[in-house]
Amino acid sequence: GAGVSQSPSNKVTEKGKDVELRCDPISGHTALYWYRQSLGQGLEFLIYFQGNSAPDKSGLPSDRFSAERTGGSVSTLTIQRTQQEDSAVYLCASTVHGGSNTGELFFGEGSRLTVL
Amino acid sequence: QQQVKQSPQSLIVQKGGISIINCAYENTAFDYFPWYQQFPGKGPALLIAIRPDVSEKKEGRFTISFNKSAKQFSLHIMDSQPGDSATYFCAAGRDDKIIFGKGTRLHILP
Repeated sequence: GAGVSQSPSNKVTEKGKDVELRCDPISGHTALYWYRQSLGQGLEFLIYFQGNSAPDKSGLPSDRFSAERTGGSVSTLTIQRTQQEDSAVYLCASTVHGGSNTGELFFGEGSRLTVL
Repeated sequence: QQQVKQSPQSLIVQKGGISIINCAYENTAFDYFPWYQQFPGKGPALLIAIRPDVSEKKEGRFTISFNKSAKQFSLHIMDSQPGDSATYFCAAGRDDKIIFGKGTRLHILP
């Protein structure tokens, strides 16, 4: 498809397990963002990639969270030793260069994570 | 630290009425102010955006008003329709970082 693709769409896991969330950005988009959406908390910035490098990791909530991007395309967000407070929708977005320069972030439909 | 404050949290408007959502920002370095619209189960999508060199931008029924000195901007939806019922996010951006408000859940009564 032509849009941002995220998988899985839904993930239920037990507390303490590790999870991986995947994002396939729009082809040709060099910038990739991860946001977390919790009820009543809006869109919380997690990390931003330009190409394969992450110039801004300031939003990662703890060292249990990590992300990588390979080949300037697919990105994986990994949460280790999941906690119940990690339950949220994780949204990925991509854009041609950078958000402020081009203006539009294209979002995927998100991965809903539930930690029991 | 909440850099973009959005209000109200929820809003109910009669069909045909005007919906108004407000946002305030703190960092004067922000140079880009978009609004995103999100329907249930979908990712947010860009609705309209403004840069600080203009005070107003209109696209169809949607208008952004921007007050640089007050560090505030607002979204006005004229002739609100039931199909406008969604969650709206304001945001502020600088360079490659975009910070979002907490969202406003808008419900238009038929």
